[in-house]
Amino acid sequence: GAVVSQHPSWVICKSGTSVKIECRSLDFQATTMFWYRQFPKQSLMLMATSNEGSKATYEQGVEKDKFLINHASLTLSTLTVTSAHPEDSSFYICSARDRESQPQHFGDGTRLSIL
Amino acid sequence: GQNIDQPTEMTATEGAIVQINCTYQTSGFNGLFWYQQHAGEAPTFLSYNVLDGLEEKGRFSSFLSRSKGYSYLLLKELQMKDSASYLCAAMDSNYQLIWGAGTKLIIKP
Repeated sequence: GAVVSQHPSWVICKSGTSVKIECRSLDFQATTMFWYRQFPKQSLMLMATSNEGSKATYEQGVEKDKFLINHASLTLSTLTVTSAHPEDSSFYICSARDRESQPQHFGDGTRLSIL
Repeated sequence: GQNIDQPTEMTATEGAIVQINCTYQTSGFNGLFWYQQHAGEAPTFLSYNVLDGLEEKGRFSSFLSRSKGYSYLLLKELQMKDSASYLCAAMDSNYQLIWGAGTKLIIKP
């Protein structure tokens, strides 16, 4: 149980393109989903927390207008990187949990490369 | 402030036992999590401790001492596939996870 699916796995696109990443909980209802970014050989960095039906809470330093998060249902959250630039190239990982005290379960991540 | 400390890197031999320590300071506490992350992959959940003591799950065990703000992950009968980063994360009073930087475990034959 507790499977989280993230799509796509890899994205390579030109600078200025907007990229949408989907995160789905397949066998549980994810009341809360999290979006992380991880640069090579560095720690996970939490970007934002989203609760179903409400606006995402962004961490300090993360631009809301650049990283658009939508959590429209209990099984789906999306992250859109708008007008992506090479410095946005990173490994983006989502996670989800059903209740507050439960572990977060991670998707497989999306490797984003902006040329 | 909130803080998690764990060693940056450890080396162990195949078949041996290794203990990865983690100390934490958080505003409130709702449990301690360990995750495994292989290079280039997303983390996978290993264990959760909220009460003091040792939780055993196969070759992996996790220990918690709330009074000391201390946890460890114990890996027995090490296999080459155990080479990975091990992330310690404490949950604060707001149910937010505070992540450690991870311990890179290198297993040698």
